[in-house]
Amino acid sequence: EAAVTQSPRSKVAVTGGKVTLSCHQTNNHDYMYWYRQDTGHGLRLIHYSYVADSTEKGDIPDGYKASRPSQENFSLILELASLSQTAVYFCASSGDSNTEVFFGKGTRLTVV
Amino acid sequence: GQQVQQSPASLVLQEGENAELQCNFSTSLNSMQWFYQRPGGSLVSLFYNPSGTKHSGRLTSTTVIKERRSSLHISSSQTTDSGTYLCALQNYNQGKLIFGQGTKLSIKP
Repeated sequence: EAAVTQSPRSKVAVTGGKVTLSCHQTNNHDYMYWYRQDTGHGLRLIHYSYVADSTEKGDIPDGYKASRPSQENFSLILELASLSQTAVYFCASSGDSNTEVFFGKGTRLTVV
Repeated sequence: GQQVQQSPASLVLQEGENAELQCNFSTSLNSMQWFYQRPGGSLVSLFYNPSGTKHSGRLTSTTVIKERRSSLHISSSQTTDSGTYLCALQNYNQGKLIFGQGTKLSIKP
């Protein structure tokens, strides 16, 4: 079973602060993704990466940065957290662009 | 318009009844993936199904490319099947998933 581990599992951040969400996969997958889930909007793609040291913008990248320092690790960075970024964030990985996608358990972020 | 539409939005059944969940898509299919999610929980992959029919226990997934639809059938439902079922269309260029809004399934004892 593919393993994607996210940390922290939950976090409370203050408006204007910096937040880093981390993701680690042990599947030897090339593709990694960050999604956010909101009531009413479902799951939407923020950033993704298909190779280390390179990231791509997804559908809703504004206010977020991503970092892929190695094949195993993919971080999502909120430089200036805002109330609207309160959501559940999911990291995922896949071996290729046309293979099954595996998700982590999610990080519940609350910005106050 | 929305590329992936799920129906029904919610479904309430008695334990033992069968459930049929639908997913229709407006763009060309690359692949379809079905997930299960409990409230506040993670996404559990049920099927990765580009085409045809796949089985897993009481679950069956059928994807018909020409008709731009995929379905998830749950036979002899149990209370533990309650939760939200999400379908997602995969874009082969990026690997990204485009999600439907989900079907909330409630199984009554």
